[in-house]
This record gives sequence, C-alpha cells and structure tokens, in this order.
Amino acid sequence: AQKVTQAQTEISVVEKEDVTLDCVYETRDTTYYLFWYKQPPSGELVFLIRRNSFDEQNEISGRYSWNFQKSTSSFNFTITASQVVDSAVYFCALSDPASGGSYIPTFGRGTSLIVHP
Amino acid sequence: DAGVTQSPTHLIKTRGQQVTLRCSPKSGHDTVSWYQQALGQGPQFIFQYYEEEERQRGNFPDRFSGHQFPNYSSELNVNALLLGDSALYLCASSPTGGNYGYTFGSGTRLTVV
Repeated sequence: AQKVTQAQTEISVVEKEDVTLDCVYETRDTTYYLFWYKQPPSGELVFLIRRNSFDEQNEISGRYSWNFQKSTSSFNFTITASQVVDSAVYFCALSDPASGGSYIPTFGRGTSLIVHP
Repeated sequence: DAGVTQSPTHLIKTRGQQVTLRCSPKSGHDTVSWYQQALGQGPQFIFQYYEEEERQRGNFPDRFSGHQFPNYSSELNVNALLLGDSALYLCASSPTGGNYGYTFGSGTRLTVV
C-alpha cells in the first residue's frame, strides 16, 4: 500500500519569507513517481513537478525548488521569497505499480499555505 | 489549447436523488480519472477510464459509476445520493500511461441536502 503524509496542515508566512512544505511517502516499489500540485481557491489542481524514483537530483524552477531524498522517503518543496499569489493548498502525490499497474496517484491531505502581505 | 472541462460547476441535489457529472479531457489525452475531494481533504481516487472501459477503481461503492465515450469524454454518475457525497468532484485526464502527471479540471462542487 502506498501512503503520502503531509504533516503540516497549515502554514502562515509573511511575504518574502522562504517556506518549505514537507512530504513523506511510503511505497514497497522501487519504481515510483512523485508529484506536487497546487490548488488555488478556484479548485483546479495545477501540476508543478514530477520526479521518478531513479532521479534524486534536486530541481530548481524560479522561486520553486524540490529536495528528493530516498534515504528518508521525503520529497520536500521550498518556495523562496514567497508572494501573496503563492497562497493555495499544495498536495504531494505518489504513484507506483501497486496501483494495479496504472500508476494512479495517491494524494496527501494537503498543506494550506497562507502568505500575508 | 483547452484543458480539462467539467460541467456543471456547481450542483445542489436532494438526498436519494441521482446526479451526472461531465468531463471533457485535454486534447490529445485518452485516459480520464475521477476523484472526490471532501472539504479539507486530499483528492480520493474513484475510478479511471481508458478505451471506454473502467480500468481501475478505488474504494467507492457501486453507487458510483461512470462511462467513457468514443471521443474520450466521460461521465460520473452517483445514485441514491447521501449527505456524505457532498464534495468537489475532480476530473483528470492524461495520455496513455499517465506517468507524466494528470491535468485536472476545476471540478464540480456537489452539495447534497
């Protein structure tokens, strides 16, 4: 069985602060995929990043960066110099062959990020 | 390029009624998945359709059923609505395989009274 834990329910920061969203996952498979999605108030889940289990390189995209560590089964997401527009719920997700071979993503409960001006 | 389109955006139904939600996938995508997202929770997988057949199903009762049409669009049907079915229903599409991440629609907000 796969499981995704986002222990932080809500984070509140002031604009320009850096913030890290934690994600811990569980899987028995060696091949799996990890994702981060952003859900603004409009409701649509916006895809941010996908990593496969064989690529532990950290990634930076503008103000966003991701730290993937298989040793601790974590895939954390950092926003540098946060902005009010970053306010949203962020979901970490995992897909692996245990999903009947269809790699169905399982989502964490999400972390609500509130950025105050 | 239109993304995933869902209709209606909001819906209010009475307990015991039936409801049909609709989804048009992103152009080029042939696989459609449905998720239920209760307030304050992460999306929960309902089922996935590919080649007009249900390929995978999550832990949802038979009251939840679906269909996929030859143009890849999909419907989610829920019978005998319960108050607990109140949620945001999200449709996601993906190309065959789905490993590259899903594209989600904005969802249908269903309220059962």
